[in-house]
Amino acid sequence: GEEVAQTPKHLVRGEGQKAKLYCAPIKGHSYVFWYQQVLKNEFKFLISFQNENVFDETGMPKERFSAKCLPNSPCSLEIQATKLEDSAVYFCASSAVPQGYQPQHFGDGTRLSIL
Amino acid sequence: DAKTTQPPSMDCAEGRAANLPCNHSTISGNEYVYWYRQIHSQGPQYIIHGLKNNETNEMASLIITEDRKSSTLILPHATLRDTAVYYCIVISGNTPLVFGKGTRLSVIA
Repeated sequence: GEEVAQTPKHLVRGEGQKAKLYCAPIKGHSYVFWYQQVLKNEFKFLISFQNENVFDETGMPKERFSAKCLPNSPCSLEIQATKLEDSAVYFCASSAVPQGYQPQHFGDGTRLSIL
Repeated sequence: DAKTTQPPSMDCAEGRAANLPCNHSTISGNEYVYWYRQIHSQGPQYIIHGLKNNETNEMASLIITEDRKSSTLILPHATLRDTAVYYCIVISGNTPLVFGKGTRLSVIA
């Protein structure tokens, strides 16, 4: 498609439950990025992919967070054993080439609320 | 940490030009200057980017100083819909976007 599509728009989970977020990049874009924004504050980069391969995971928490981009499927970000502090808006972005040379295009995010 | 500094907030009258400054004194030769904005809680929207030369597109103009240590985003005729947080980001080919606190632009009728 012509836009980055993120689903669901809102996700509510009880503390300790699993949360799974999805992102369909713009058709033809090889790079996918995940960012976390807590309470409209600064964005935190989590992880990026080049096709199905991890490109940069320097921002990814070492525990509970995992992500995948499999062929012919939306990319996913999964949080195991969620905590209250995971409440945030998670944005996905895609780009056609490595970041820096062409812009990243963002979806409208998934708002995750942990109760 | 963000490599840019921006004023926290600015006001602009509707129909006037909005000039948003950004300092990036430590920019490297291969780093681009990007501008994004976030309207309410939507996803960041790409506006414009440049390396050395001034750039213009249908949304805005980007003026980069000759020493590349600062830049200005210009919205030529601001409307109420341009009210948003504007982010100036310096990025090279292998680094993620690092969003600072940005400038909250309020366009006033």
